[in-house]
Formats: sequence, structure tokens, C-alpha cells
Amino acid sequence: DTGVSQDPRHKITKRGQNVTFRCDPISEHNRLYWYRQTLGQGPEFLTYFQNEAQLEKSRLLSDRFSAERPKGSFSTLEIQRTEQGDSAMYLCASSLGSGANEKLFFGSGTQLSVL
Amino acid sequence: ILNVEQSPQSLHVQEGDSTNFTCSFPSSNFYALHWYRWETAKSPEALFVMTLNGDEKKKGRISATLNTKEGYSYLYIKGSQPEDSATYLCALSGSARQLTFGSGTQLTVLP
Repeated sequence: DTGVSQDPRHKITKRGQNVTFRCDPISEHNRLYWYRQTLGQGPEFLTYFQNEAQLEKSRLLSDRFSAERPKGSFSTLEIQRTEQGDSAMYLCASSLGSGANEKLFFGSGTQLSVL
Repeated sequence: ILNVEQSPQSLHVQEGDSTNFTCSFPSSNFYALHWYRWETAKSPEALFVMTLNGDEKKKGRISATLNTKEGYSYLYIKGSQPEDSATYLCALSGSARQLTFGSGTQLTVLP
């Protein structure tokens, strides 16, 4: 499978716990994005990486959220001290970063439920 | 902050009907307009990326048009099939790299 993969598909956690999600992008893609989608809304941008450098972070990304892409390949998104409002679908996408026609390839997402 | 609006929010059509949805966006600071299809339990799939005013793109029975001056894009599906049932998202990229998505149009094609 050469698509974007995300793990786990589903995560149920108790409020206050830490969670970590993983994203494996398409291998030759240098850009990696994290989005969050809540019911009835479109995906909202969280952050993106160009290779291993985190170039942009949304104001939605509170201090409890941290993302890494240590070797410019896979990425992790960690949420510390989860809150019920963090319940959402977390989507990862990757791209070649080819300018105006840049097309994003998405994974299937990680559905987080905070109880 | 870019505001992308899609209408209708949801739509039910009969198999064989043709249908269309609208995506509205601010015409200033335009860079590109994307359409994605998101089927339940699957990944959002890119349909089209359009950059030029007047662009028209087609993929099988699905086509899209772009008007950057007035700030809208239409997505058309000809002869809808049950497998077209999905949420159709449009997204705008401005000078920043991230996409700003609309809330989507949820299409259900009834057999």
C-alpha cells in the first residue's frame, strides 16, 4: 500500500490522559499536514512540515498539542492532558509541494473519543 | 481568515439524476481551489485542483468550473450513481500553504 497510513484508526481515552497518533506519508512526499475535523465541519488546519521542519502552526494548536517529524518521514501528533473538546477525527495528508497545483493525499484518519 | 461556504449542506437525489453544488469564497488573495470527495470510512480523495479563472475540469461524470472574480466554483455530477454518495468538500488555498475547507455537501444517491 503506497498511500498515507495513520495509526490507530480509533482511540478512546479518558480525560486527562495523553495520546499519540502516527502518520506515515507517501514516501517521496516532502510535505506533511495535520488537520482536525469535527462533526458537521470541514477539516481544520493544525500544522505542517516541510521535510523535518515544522513551518506553520495554527492558533487552534494549543500548548497541549505537539507534532514532530524527526527524520522527515513519519510524523507523530501528541495531545497531552486530553479534554472532551479534543474529540475529533485527526487527518494526516502529504504532498510533493509542487506549487499552485499541489494536491494533498489524505490518510483515513484517527478518530479520537475523549470520555 | 478565509471563509469558504458550501451549499447545500446535504442533498438527496435519485439514481440517474444530475446534480450540482456550490462553493463560495473570497475572491481576493486567491491561489487555488480544491475539490475533494470523502466517502464514509475512507480517505478524502482529491478530485480537482483549479487555479485559473474560467478553469473547467472533468473526471468521468464529474466536472467543475471556477470563477475567481466573483468567488465561486460549481461541481457537477451527471447521471448520479449510488457510488457517488459521499461528502464533497471544497477547499481554498491562499498565500499560506494550508487549505481552508468548507463544511461540505453530503450527497446521497438513492437507487
